[in-house]
Amino acid sequence: KAGVTQTPRYLIKTRGQQVTLSCSPISGHRSVSWYQQTPGQGLQFLFEYFSETQRNKGNFPGRFSGRQFSNSRSEMNVSTLELGDSALYLCASSLQDPGKTQYFGPGTRLLVL
Amino acid sequence: AQTVTQSQPEMSVQEAETVTLSCTYDTSESDYYLFWYKQPPSRQMILVIRQEAYKQQNATENRFSVNFQKAAKSFSLKISDSQLGDAAMYFCAYRSPTGANSKLTFGKGITLSVRP
Repeated sequence: KAGVTQTPRYLIKTRGQQVTLSCSPISGHRSVSWYQQTPGQGLQFLFEYFSETQRNKGNFPGRFSGRQFSNSRSEMNVSTLELGDSALYLCASSLQDPGKTQYFGPGTRLLVL
Repeated sequence: AQTVTQSQPEMSVQEAETVTLSCTYDTSESDYYLFWYKQPPSRQMILVIRQEAYKQQNATENRFSVNFQKAAKSFSLKISDSQLGDAAMYFCAYRSPTGANSKLTFGKGITLSVRP
């Protein structure tokens, strides 16, 4: 099976802009989670989607949003970008059961100037 | 809320030797899942090993094994016969089986270097 794919892999934006990141899960996986990784804060959970519904949400401002489509692909959007949003954004997919292992994509590296 | 602590930021091991990476966690739940992930310089997170809390037996995957001490809330990773390709950042993670806590909670990670 193909792994989790994320596009784009690299992105440069300026403050105030918005950005949309995409994630395609492993075939058959219906749960998609998003994480932000920064040197200072480490890995932090953003949100999880299952069957097009947000099942879980981390402590991020409302500028961070996401959605999931009927084919389980997911997008996350960050509006009004801030310098502190520069990070590696990781997407992970898993089977329905929350106890199942999450498999990660290669990440999207976002730089905000 | 669950927390995961990796107190050693860096470790080094000689090639072919054994190294143990430490992890402790805090939870009030009795059922949960623990993971070790590896993140090489490519930044791709790779699953190393998984442990289910209700299982007494320690998980093993080839050269990787864990020492799971539920009462002590400790979950260490042992890497045997270390190889140069094992050099990476290693993250310990906790996942609750249900509800609003079903996210992965990660430790800060430990950077492992392997000396040839």
